[in-house]
Amino acid sequence: GENVEQHPSTLSVQEGDSAVIKCTYSDSASNYFPWYKQELGKRPQLIIDIRSNVGEKKDQRIAVTLNKTAKHFSLHITETQPEDSAVYFCAARPANNLFFGTGTRLTVIP
Amino acid sequence: DTAVSQTPKYLVTQMGNDKSIKCEQNLGHDTMYWYKQDSKKFLKIMFSYNNKELIINETVPNRFSPKSPDKAHLNLHINSLELGDSAVYFCASSQRPLSNTGELFFGEGSRLTVL
Repeated sequence: GENVEQHPSTLSVQEGDSAVIKCTYSDSASNYFPWYKQELGKRPQLIIDIRSNVGEKKDQRIAVTLNKTAKHFSLHITETQPEDSAVYFCAARPANNLFFGTGTRLTVIP
Repeated sequence: DTAVSQTPKYLVTQMGNDKSIKCEQNLGHDTMYWYKQDSKKFLKIMFSYNNKELIINETVPNRFSPKSPDKAHLNLHINSLELGDSAVYFCASSQRPLSNTGELFFGEGSRLTVL
Protein backbone atom coordinates (compact mmCIF):
# COMPACT_ATOMS: atom_id res chain seq x y z
CA GLY A 1 0.00 0.00 0.00
CA GLU A 2 0.86 3.68 -0.10
CA ASN A 3 3.39 4.99 2.43
CA VAL A 4 3.39 8.73 3.12
CA GLU A 5 6.24 10.25 5.08
CA GLN A 6 6.06 13.79 6.42
CA HIS A 7 8.76 16.09 7.78
CA PRO A 8 9.38 17.80 10.07
CA SER A 9 7.21 16.50 12.90
CA THR A 10 7.40 19.87 14.67
CA LEU A 11 8.14 23.31 13.29
CA SER A 12 8.39 26.65 15.06
CA VAL A 13 8.60 29.90 13.14
CA GLN A 14 8.40 33.57 14.00
CA GLU A 15 5.28 35.39 12.96
CA GLY A 16 5.74 36.73 9.45
CA ASP A 17 8.26 34.07 8.43
CA SER A 18 7.56 31.26 5.99
CA ALA A 19 6.94 27.62 6.86
CA VAL A 20 7.58 24.61 4.63
CA ILE A 21 6.35 21.07 5.25
CA LYS A 22 7.49 18.23 3.03
CA CYS A 23 5.97 14.86 2.20
CA THR A 24 7.04 11.89 0.13
CA TYR A 25 4.89 9.05 -1.15
CA SER A 26 5.68 5.61 -2.49
CA ASP A 27 2.86 4.61 -4.85
CA SER A 28 3.25 6.03 -8.34
CA ALA A 29 -0.50 5.50 -8.85
CA SER A 30 -1.28 8.30 -6.39
CA ASN A 31 -2.88 11.14 -8.29
CA TYR A 32 -4.35 13.43 -5.68
CA PHE A 33 -2.61 15.14 -2.75
CA PRO A 34 -4.63 17.11 -0.20
CA TRP A 35 -3.44 18.97 2.87
CA TYR A 36 -5.49 19.09 6.04
CA LYS A 37 -5.17 21.45 9.01
CA GLN A 38 -6.19 20.35 12.48
CA GLU A 39 -6.38 22.98 15.19
CA LEU A 40 -6.11 21.89 18.79
CA GLY A 41 -9.12 19.81 19.77
CA LYS A 42 -10.80 20.33 16.42
CA ARG A 43 -11.50 18.29 13.34
CA PRO A 44 -9.10 18.10 10.36
CA GLN A 45 -10.15 20.41 7.56
CA LEU A 46 -9.00 20.57 3.96
CA ILE A 47 -6.97 23.69 3.21
CA ILE A 48 -5.56 23.01 -0.24
CA ASP A 49 -5.11 20.13 -2.65
CA ILE A 50 -3.27 19.37 -5.86
CA ARG A 51 -3.80 16.82 -8.60
CA SER A 52 -1.05 14.95 -10.38
CA ASN A 53 -1.43 16.88 -13.64
CA VAL A 54 -0.46 20.13 -11.92
CA GLY A 55 2.92 21.13 -10.54
CA GLU A 56 1.95 24.01 -8.31
CA LYS A 57 -1.17 25.56 -6.82
CA LYS A 58 -1.56 28.70 -4.76
CA ASP A 59 -4.32 30.08 -2.57
CA GLN A 60 -3.43 33.39 -0.93
CA ARG A 61 -0.67 32.64 1.61
CA ILE A 62 -0.72 28.91 1.02
CA ALA A 63 0.90 27.06 -1.88
CA VAL A 64 1.53 23.43 -2.67
CA THR A 65 4.10 22.01 -5.07
CA LEU A 66 4.28 18.51 -6.52
CA ASN A 67 7.21 16.69 -8.08
CA LYS A 68 5.81 13.45 -9.53
CA THR A 69 9.17 12.17 -10.69
CA ALA A 70 10.65 12.43 -7.22
CA LYS A 71 7.34 11.52 -5.55
CA HIS A 72 7.32 14.42 -3.19
CA PHE A 73 5.06 17.36 -2.48
CA SER A 74 5.33 20.33 -0.17
CA LEU A 75 3.17 22.87 1.62
CA HIS A 76 4.39 26.46 1.78
CA ILE A 77 2.85 29.03 4.11
CA THR A 78 4.07 32.60 3.73
CA GLU A 79 3.69 35.51 6.17
CA THR A 80 2.69 33.13 8.94
CA GLN A 81 0.24 34.28 11.58
CA PRO A 82 -0.50 32.91 15.06
CA GLU A 83 -3.76 31.41 13.77
CA ASP A 84 -1.71 29.22 11.42
CA SER A 85 -0.59 27.27 14.50
CA ALA A 86 -2.01 23.77 14.13
CA VAL A 87 -1.13 20.23 13.06
CA TYR A 88 -0.89 19.86 9.29
CA PHE A 89 -1.38 16.54 7.51
CA CYS A 90 -0.45 15.69 3.98
CA ALA A 91 -2.17 12.79 2.22
CA ALA A 92 -1.92 10.81 -0.99
CA ARG A 93 -4.66 8.95 -2.87
CA PRO A 94 -3.66 6.01 -5.06
CA ALA A 95 -7.16 4.60 -5.61
CA ASN A 96 -10.15 4.76 -3.30
CA ASN A 97 -8.32 5.50 -0.09
CA LEU A 98 -6.48 8.43 1.45
CA PHE A 99 -3.21 7.71 3.22
CA PHE A 100 -2.16 10.40 5.65
CA GLY A 101 1.29 11.49 6.72
CA THR A 102 2.15 11.56 10.40
CA GLY A 103 1.48 15.26 10.81
CA THR A 104 3.54 18.40 11.47
CA ARG A 105 2.85 20.52 14.50
CA LEU A 106 3.40 24.12 13.42
CA THR A 107 3.80 26.79 16.07
CA VAL A 108 3.88 30.43 15.02
CA ILE A 109 5.53 32.56 17.66
CA PRO A 110 4.08 36.10 17.92
CA ASP B 1 -26.04 23.26 11.44
CA THR B 2 -23.38 20.57 11.80
CA ALA B 3 -22.45 18.73 8.60
CA VAL B 4 -20.95 15.59 10.17
CA SER B 5 -21.93 14.97 13.75
CA GLN B 6 -20.83 12.16 15.99
CA THR B 7 -21.78 11.18 19.52
CA PRO B 8 -20.59 10.92 22.14
CA LYS B 9 -17.76 13.42 22.07
CA TYR B 10 -16.09 11.85 25.08
CA LEU B 11 -16.30 8.27 26.26
CA VAL B 12 -14.53 6.84 29.30
CA THR B 13 -14.99 3.15 29.99
CA GLN B 14 -13.41 0.09 31.54
CA MET B 15 -11.50 -2.62 29.73
CA GLY B 16 -13.72 -5.41 28.49
CA ASN B 17 -16.80 -3.24 28.00
CA ASP B 18 -18.69 -2.79 24.73
CA LYS B 19 -19.37 0.70 23.40
CA SER B 20 -20.80 2.41 20.34
CA ILE B 21 -20.13 5.70 18.59
CA LYS B 22 -22.75 7.14 16.27
CA CYS B 23 -22.24 9.30 13.20
CA GLU B 24 -24.63 11.19 10.99
CA GLN B 25 -24.04 13.45 8.01
CA ASN B 26 -26.54 15.88 6.51
CA LEU B 27 -24.49 16.71 3.42
CA GLY B 28 -26.21 14.20 1.17
CA HIS B 29 -22.90 12.39 0.65
CA ASP B 30 -22.74 8.83 -0.56
CA THR B 31 -19.61 7.72 1.27
CA MET B 32 -18.74 7.63 4.96
CA TYR B 33 -15.64 6.62 6.88
CA TRP B 34 -14.22 5.88 10.28
CA TYR B 35 -10.68 7.05 11.04
CA LYS B 36 -8.66 6.41 14.18
CA GLN B 37 -6.24 9.04 15.47
CA ASP B 38 -3.81 7.75 18.06
CA SER B 39 -1.91 9.69 20.71
CA LYS B 40 0.79 10.58 18.18
CA LYS B 41 -1.86 12.17 15.95
CA PHE B 42 -1.52 9.52 13.25
CA LEU B 43 -4.73 9.34 11.20
CA LYS B 44 -5.55 5.90 9.87
CA ILE B 45 -8.62 4.71 8.01
CA MET B 46 -10.59 1.85 9.49
CA PHE B 47 -13.70 1.48 7.34
CA SER B 48 -15.50 3.08 4.45
CA TYR B 49 -19.08 2.62 3.29
CA ASN B 50 -20.59 3.76 0.02
CA ASN B 51 -24.39 3.79 -0.05
CA LYS B 52 -24.52 1.43 2.90
CA GLU B 53 -22.05 -1.02 1.36
CA LEU B 54 -18.62 -1.70 2.83
CA ILE B 55 -15.90 -0.69 0.38
CA ILE B 56 -12.83 -0.33 2.59
CA ASN B 57 -12.02 -2.58 5.49
CA GLU B 58 -8.47 -2.07 6.67
CA THR B 59 -6.74 -4.44 9.04
CA VAL B 60 -8.88 -3.83 12.08
CA PRO B 61 -9.63 -6.34 14.87
CA ASN B 62 -12.96 -8.14 14.59
CA ARG B 63 -13.97 -6.41 17.81
CA PHE B 64 -14.72 -3.35 15.67
CA SER B 65 -17.93 -3.61 13.70
CA PRO B 66 -19.35 -0.78 11.60
CA LYS B 67 -23.01 -0.54 10.74
CA SER B 68 -24.63 1.68 8.14
CA PRO B 69 -28.45 1.65 8.41
CA ASP B 70 -28.66 4.23 5.62
CA LYS B 71 -26.21 6.34 3.69
CA ALA B 72 -26.48 9.22 6.15
CA HIS B 73 -25.44 7.14 9.15
CA LEU B 74 -22.37 5.07 9.99
CA ASN B 75 -22.04 3.74 13.51
CA LEU B 76 -19.07 2.02 15.09
CA HIS B 77 -19.46 -0.67 17.70
CA ILE B 78 -16.48 -1.91 19.68
CA ASN B 79 -16.57 -5.12 21.71
CA SER B 80 -14.28 -6.12 24.56
CA LEU B 81 -12.47 -2.81 24.73
CA GLU B 82 -8.71 -2.85 25.27
CA LEU B 83 -6.30 -0.20 26.53
CA GLY B 84 -4.89 0.19 23.01
CA ASP B 85 -8.29 1.24 21.71
CA SER B 86 -7.89 4.57 23.46
CA ALA B 87 -7.82 7.18 20.69
CA VAL B 88 -9.88 9.81 18.98
CA TYR B 89 -12.25 8.30 16.43
CA PHE B 90 -13.24 10.54 13.55
CA CYS B 91 -16.21 9.96 11.32
CA ALA B 92 -15.96 11.52 7.86
CA SER B 93 -17.92 11.71 4.65
CA SER B 94 -17.27 12.50 1.01
CA GLN B 95 -19.61 13.17 -1.87
CA ARG B 96 -18.44 10.08 -3.70
CA PRO B 97 -15.87 7.35 -3.06
CA LEU B 98 -12.38 8.72 -2.82
CA SER B 99 -11.48 7.33 -6.24
CA ASN B 100 -13.69 10.05 -7.72
CA THR B 101 -13.41 12.90 -5.31
CA GLY B 102 -11.03 14.38 -2.84
CA GLU B 103 -12.42 16.24 0.07
CA LEU B 104 -13.22 14.51 3.30
CA PHE B 105 -15.52 16.25 5.74
CA PHE B 106 -14.67 15.20 9.26
CA GLY B 107 -16.81 15.11 12.35
CA GLU B 108 -15.51 16.64 15.58
CA GLY B 109 -14.16 13.36 16.86
CA SER B 110 -15.02 11.06 19.74
CA ARG B 111 -12.29 10.69 22.34
CA LEU B 112 -12.38 7.17 23.75
CA THR B 113 -10.45 6.45 26.93
CA VAL B 114 -10.20 2.86 28.11
CA LEU B 115 -9.16 2.43 31.75
